[in-house]
Amino acid sequence: EAGVVQSPRYKIIEKKQPVAFWCNPISGHNTLYWYRQNLGQGPELLIRYENEEAVDDSQLPKDRFSAERLKGVDSTLKIQPAELGDSAVYLCASSLGYGTDTQYFGPGTRLTVL
Amino acid sequence: GQNIDQPTEMTATEGAIVQINCTYQTSGFNGLFWYQQHAGEAPTFLSYNVLDGLEEKGRFSSFLSRSKGYSYLLLKELQMKDSASYLCAVRGSPAGTALIFGKGTTLSVSS
Repeated sequence: EAGVVQSPRYKIIEKKQPVAFWCNPISGHNTLYWYRQNLGQGPELLIRYENEEAVDDSQLPKDRFSAERLKGVDSTLKIQPAELGDSAVYLCASSLGYGTDTQYFGPGTRLTVL
Repeated sequence: GQNIDQPTEMTATEGAIVQINCTYQTSGFNGLFWYQQHAGEAPTFLSYNVLDGLEEKGRFSSFLSRSKGYSYLLLKELQMKDSASYLCAVRGSPAGTALIFGKGTTLSVSS
């Protein structure tokens, strides 16, 4: 069974530029999460989707971050414009959903903003 | 507030046993997870506890005491490949919400 797929794996951009990350969850997983992990820290939730609905986006900086999950499968996270402080690893995770189930993580996208 | 504490770093030698502790204070509780994360890689699931007691899975065991807000991960017969960061994460309430992670414990195993 394929795991969570993310691309790109690495991205280097200059501040004020836009950037987008893509995630394909495990087949059949209804719940999708975007986390941000700063160096030396644990992941922190940005947004959670149940199918195509964003059910928890309280931690998403909505002035510059946006996300979508069309058709309840793939998801895209966008930052526009990027700031220096956005440098981090962006992790996508998925789970079956609707209960106390395990989350499985993708390899992440390491973003460096210069 | 919500808080998860675990030691920043630990060291051990091959073949030894190490215990990584985690204490938590969260609004609600619907399970505690342990993940392993090698440098530059994604967190991978190790264990899940929702009831008090010990869960054993091969060389790894995890313990939970809900009344004390305490968990530990026990690694036996340490191998060099166990050198990684170990993340303690709690699912608050309601069930199905995202995980709240600790900062992770970096374990270094030497020969």
